[in-house]
Amino acid sequence: KAGVTQTPRYLIKTRGQQVTLSCSPISGHRSVSWYQQTPGQGLQFLFEYFSETQRNKGNFPGRFSGRQFSNSRSEMNVSTLELGDSALYLCASSLGQTNNEQFFGPGTRLTVL
Amino acid sequence: GIQVEQSPPDLILQEGANSTLRCNFSDSVNNLQWFHQNPWGQLINLFYIPSGTKQNGRLSATTVATERYSLLYISSSQTTDSGVYFCAVTFNTGGFKTIFGAGTRLFVKA
Repeated sequence: KAGVTQTPRYLIKTRGQQVTLSCSPISGHRSVSWYQQTPGQGLQFLFEYFSETQRNKGNFPGRFSGRQFSNSRSEMNVSTLELGDSALYLCASSLGQTNNEQFFGPGTRLTVL
Repeated sequence: GIQVEQSPPDLILQEGANSTLRCNFSDSVNNLQWFHQNPWGQLINLFYIPSGTKQNGRLSATTVATERYSLLYISSSQTTDSGVYFCAVTFNTGGFKTIFGAGTRLFVKA
């Protein structure tokens, strides 16, 4: 079974731009969660999607948004990028119901200049 | 919200030594996972352990949910065990929300 894939793996943007990151979950997994990892704040939960619905979200500004498609693939978007958005963005997939053991993708490393 | 604390924050071991990493959490959770993050940033699943004890080779983990802690044991450590170990707890608030601890950075010397 293929693992969780994320594209692109690396991205360089400038302040004020927007970015879209993509995550394809493990086949059969219906839940996708997104996380931001920075040296200062550690791993922080962004949001969780299940069957195209956002079920939960963390404490991030509205510039961070996401969506999930009918095939469970998910995208997250960051608008009006700031220097502090430079981070490793990780997505995880799980079955999404009583068993939510999460499996992580390799991440997208975003650098904002 | 739920707080997750890991200890120790840093650990240096000689190859072959044993160690115990601890994860305390402040409220009831639905499940708990342990991960190892390699130098390239990939989070590798070690254990999915909402309660009880599991073993996988040189690694084992125990979660005592009623006392809100989990332990990860590493025996006969190897240099390849180096990296950051994270504990993550998940609770259900109509959807799943996961909180990570700050991690334990392990360095195993040859």
